[in-house]
Amino acid sequence: EVQLVESGGGLVQPGGSLRLSCAASGFTFSSYAMHWVRQAPGKGLEYVSAISSNGGSTYYANSVKGRFTISRDNSKNTLYLQMGSLRAEDMAVYYCARFIAVAGIFDYWGQGTLVTVSS
Amino acid sequence: IQLTQSPSSLSASVGDRVTITCRASQGISSYLAWYQQKPGKAPKLLIYAASTLQSGVPSRFSGSGSGTDFTLTISSLQPEDFATYYCQQLNSYPFALTFGGGTKVEIK
Repeated sequence: EVQLVESGGGLVQPGGSLRLSCAASGFTFSSYAMHWVRQAPGKGLEYVSAISSNGGSTYYANSVKGRFTISRDNSKNTLYLQMGSLRAEDMAVYYCARFIAVAGIFDYWGQGTLVTVSS
Repeated sequence: IQLTQSPSSLSASVGDRVTITCRASQGISSYLAWYQQKPGKAPKLLIYAASTLQSGVPSRFSGSGSGTDFTLTISSLQPEDFATYYCQQLNSYPFALTFGGGTKVEIK
């Protein structure tokens, strides 16, 4: 069974940093591109960042470029999102999702982890 | 590429036929997917490639369209279908993509 389990969310002050993790199981993690998608309270889905299966290519939404870094450790089946210079508008539930490149879709999602940015 | 969903919300009764539209600001071929999200839960993939039903999704869900105009139809709304629905497209390979603003389906 495919499972994605996020962790690392919490309360952080504006300007602070946080690292999210997404532990994957039930599939060959190193074969799939992975993404982070977020959802602010009461709002829609927003694409955040993506990384290729081998970690060699990354992509960021303009809203987080230069502040967030996506990475992965295929030996540990884990995806990461290092978030810095956090702003109030970064407050959201962050989901990791498995990406099926040939169809351009997310077929499995984690349960999400909440990041709260507040002083 | 922007995706515009309409309506943003709707009220319907159990058994109703419901149609949600998603319009792209430019042609996206058939790289269009639909997701269902219930409160406090992660999105769930319903349809991909505009009209292909994901495994395990009830056949009352269907999708159609190509180019810029797409629809999600629920043929007979069930109590468990009350949720928010999002369309999503792949803009440019390999990773750039966008979501529509969502359509909330509520009980009338």
